[in-house]
Amino acid sequence: QLVESGGGLVQPGGSRRLSCAASGFSFSFYYMDWVRQAPGKGLEWVGLIRHNAEGHTTEYAASVKGRFTISRDDSKSSLYLQMNSLKTEDTAVYFCVRENWHFDLWGRGALVTVSS
Amino acid sequence: EIVLTQTPLFSPVTLGQPASISCRSSQSLVHSAGNTYLTWLHQRPGQPPRLLIYQISNRFSGVPDRFSGSGAGTDFTLRISRVEAEDVGVYYCMQTTQSPYTFGQGTKLEIK
Repeated sequence: QLVESGGGLVQPGGSRRLSCAASGFSFSFYYMDWVRQAPGKGLEWVGLIRHNAEGHTTEYAASVKGRFTISRDDSKSSLYLQMNSLKTEDTAVYFCVRENWHFDLWGRGALVTVSS
Repeated sequence: EIVLTQTPLFSPVTLGQPASISCRSSQSLVHSAGNTYLTWLHQRPGQPPRLLIYQISNRFSGVPDRFSGSGAGTDFTLRISRVEAEDVGVYYCMQTTQSPYTFGQGTKLEIK
């Protein structure tokens, strides 16, 4: 399973770090992604991090590139999303997702609210 | 960026009747390795999405056989042979053929 934590209220321009704890599978073998969903809206891909064999390289959506950073600690089976320079439009539930060419395992999500 | 367009956006269906959702891509979803990474997801209110269909037509573990996927290239369809009450919610197509990954707008299925 995947369990996100770290959500909460943050002021515009602020930072927040989300964590995702994985269990029940060999975390290090998989690409991992973050997907977000603004209140009442559809799904938006945030970015991904590849496994160690591909150098833990990352890719990001244009809307977050340069502000968000995805990292992982395979020794802790954990995924992270560092969010900087947050904007009100970043308000969303953030889902941690396992990628196996398709998104086959989703966490329940963590709500991040960006508001003054 | 690949744009996925779903139709309809809203689908009122009678219990026991079929339903169909279309997903059209702005470009081919055939990956250079030969596979097509078109996925269907279902999201019930207040829950995370769950995987239904991957690579166009493969049902994920535990998904009832009333769900089926078809299509090729840029045009894809999700079909439900006989809608049940638990099928309500929003259905999304998505592609993982090319980064940035993208989702359709979502189709809300409701019972009449």
